[in-house]
Amino acid sequence: DTAVSQTPKYLVTQMGNDKSIKCEQNLGHDTMYWYKQDSKKFLKIMFSYNNKELIINETVPNRFSPKSPDKAHLNLHINSLELGDSAVYFCASSQDSPLVNTDTQYFGPGTRLTVL
Amino acid sequence: ELKVEQNPLFLSMQEGKNYTIYCNYSTTSDRLYWYRQDPGKSLESLFVLLSNGAVKQEGRLMASLDTKARLSTLHITAAVHDLSATYFCAVDGIYNNNDMRFGAGTRLTVKP
Repeated sequence: DTAVSQTPKYLVTQMGNDKSIKCEQNLGHDTMYWYKQDSKKFLKIMFSYNNKELIINETVPNRFSPKSPDKAHLNLHINSLELGDSAVYFCASSQDSPLVNTDTQYFGPGTRLTVL
Repeated sequence: ELKVEQNPLFLSMQEGKNYTIYCNYSTTSDRLYWYRQDPGKSLESLFVLLSNGAVKQEGRLMASLDTKARLSTLHITAAVHDLSATYFCAVDGIYNNNDMRFGAGTRLTVKP
């Protein structure tokens, strides 16, 4: 009965590769997010999708691209991986749009990406 | 599996009042974080609590950790409007493959 799930849980890859992280929520929420957690545990918002539209896009490199095939999924594609991309990436979902208000968000378990 | 529960999820309070947000977690851990999020923004780290009995204070916010009860509290003293935000607690499952789990957040609204 996991509300927000991410796969894979761990991802180890070589620099220059292209990889994807998947996220699924079964809560019927309208908005999904991707966050990057740095070494100090700060969570930087990367993207959010509301009804299949990108509504927030912080200044992240073009190598990162979110893709939402439907309301329940928001996948993160990363091209030409760099050492600095190593981090834990969290997916989350909420009922409302973040621009309206910050509703409660349900976080996935995180994906630990290591770029060698 | 590590689970984290916060309550209340929604909190509306008057300026000048005090209140406490609770964070319970299900398995052993001794590392707990409190974050603040403004609408559409990143999660800003407020406190990191690393041991049983840890207490940290910053301005009108004070966080504490009781690892035996698996409970952390975030106490708000004499609330002001600027504290309106969503507050998340998160627990490092250091005995659980370092998985980090978040509570659902408490949306705090402070009214004049």
